[in-house]
Amino acid sequence: GIQVEQSPPDLILQEGANSTLRCNFSDSVNNLQWFHQNPWGQLINLFYIPSGTKQNGRLSATTVATERYSLLYISSSQTTDSGVYFCAVAIGGGSNYKLTFGKGTLLTVNP
Amino acid sequence: NAGVMQNPRHLVRRRGQEARLRCSPMKGHSHVYWYRQLPEEGLKFMVYLQKENIIDESGMPKERFSAEFPKEGPSILRIQQVVRGDSAAYFCASSPTTSWAAIGNTEAFFGQGTRLTVV
Repeated sequence: GIQVEQSPPDLILQEGANSTLRCNFSDSVNNLQWFHQNPWGQLINLFYIPSGTKQNGRLSATTVATERYSLLYISSSQTTDSGVYFCAVAIGGGSNYKLTFGKGTLLTVNP
Repeated sequence: NAGVMQNPRHLVRRRGQEARLRCSPMKGHSHVYWYRQLPEEGLKFMVYLQKENIIDESGMPKERFSAEFPKEGPSILRIQQVVRGDSAAYFCASSPTTSWAAIGNTEAFFGQGTRLTVV
């Protein structure tokens, strides 16, 4: 099956710093999503981004489908950004609908 | 437009009891997926359902686990005779109705999860 690797596994920042999280995947995909799992365990949809670039406030994401990677940018980080960031992909196209999740990046933002 | 609704948020069961987890998809969504997150792990696919049909249950344990999505009402994930190893967070996701060829190509929206603790 498709492999998803996220880096770095852990990241500690001071409030106000910027960061880049990376997601590499092993096959062509029709679905790529980024999620934030907050310290209470809730899973929050951040981006649906199988290709291209999107921005939402301090967060933005870019997926380069031909090179099989995606980047999540967090600018001016806040303590509320702490948690685990997951990348998930699906090949799609009818029979390959299962999302395969990476192991996540644990982000800690200190005040 | 309400999001994917799961209940209960937290569920505690003694070993041997039954656990019932409920999921109401977003309005207009006919595809429902259940994922399980074991401690310190990422989410793993369990089952995919459409109304009154189980499409793919390849990720579900063969025994004690079952799922349904009836014509009326929420999708139910049922775990019989729970054991401590069933303790996990169970997430439901839904995606919009699409043609068969486009299934998996659209965004899946996740609920807040049900945290099952078996004591």
